[in-house]
Amino acid sequence: NAGVTQTPKFRILKIGQSMTLQCTQDMNHNYMYWYRQDPGMGLKLIYYSVGAGITDKGEVPNGYNVSRSTTEDFPLRLELAAPSQTSVYFCASSFGPGNTEAFFGQGTRLTVV
Amino acid sequence: SQKIEQNSEALNIQEGKTATLTCNYTNYSPAYLQWYRQDPGRGPVFLLLIRENEKEKRKERLKVTFDTTLKQSLFHITASQPADSATYLCALDGTGNQFYFGTGTSLTVIP
Repeated sequence: NAGVTQTPKFRILKIGQSMTLQCTQDMNHNYMYWYRQDPGMGLKLIYYSVGAGITDKGEVPNGYNVSRSTTEDFPLRLELAAPSQTSVYFCASSFGPGNTEAFFGQGTRLTVV
Repeated sequence: SQKIEQNSEALNIQEGKTATLTCNYTNYSPAYLQWYRQDPGRGPVFLLLIRENEKEKRKERLKVTFDTTLKQSLFHITASQPADSATYLCALDGTGNQFYFGTGTSLTVIP
């Protein structure tokens, strides 16, 4: 099993550019999450989804958008990138919202200059 | 929303000793609380899950306690080894199917 796969691993964006961070899982999990992690900090929830066609905001959604057209894929879109979005982004998936373990991708390190 | 606090100071202990990490939360009590390990440059990896009606959970050298009155979970690593050096995160479910993480505690086990 591949688990949770994120692409790209690294990316440098210029201010104002846009990009999509890809996330796919092959475990048939309904729940998927996007987190950001700043240096020395914990994970902040950006967006989450409880199934295909359903998404909702987390703690820090501003500047991001998501979609969930299939169970497997949960892309994160950054519009008009800003330096404050420099961070490491993690995608995760699970069968439930807290009653089962979450599986994480390897992360995407994004720098906005 | 839920606020989760972990030891902000890094924890250094001697090999063979027991490491104890703390996770405190405010507001409502979660139904589940989880602990994860994160190594530098990697995503978190699940270690243990404990339910609100469970006082204690063990897995090999790991032990987790859950005190809903104190709103606190303790995570213990007994007979610690240098390979246990990592950041440890607690996580819990929130309202509306959300899943929150604490800030993490960095543990270094000194040989």
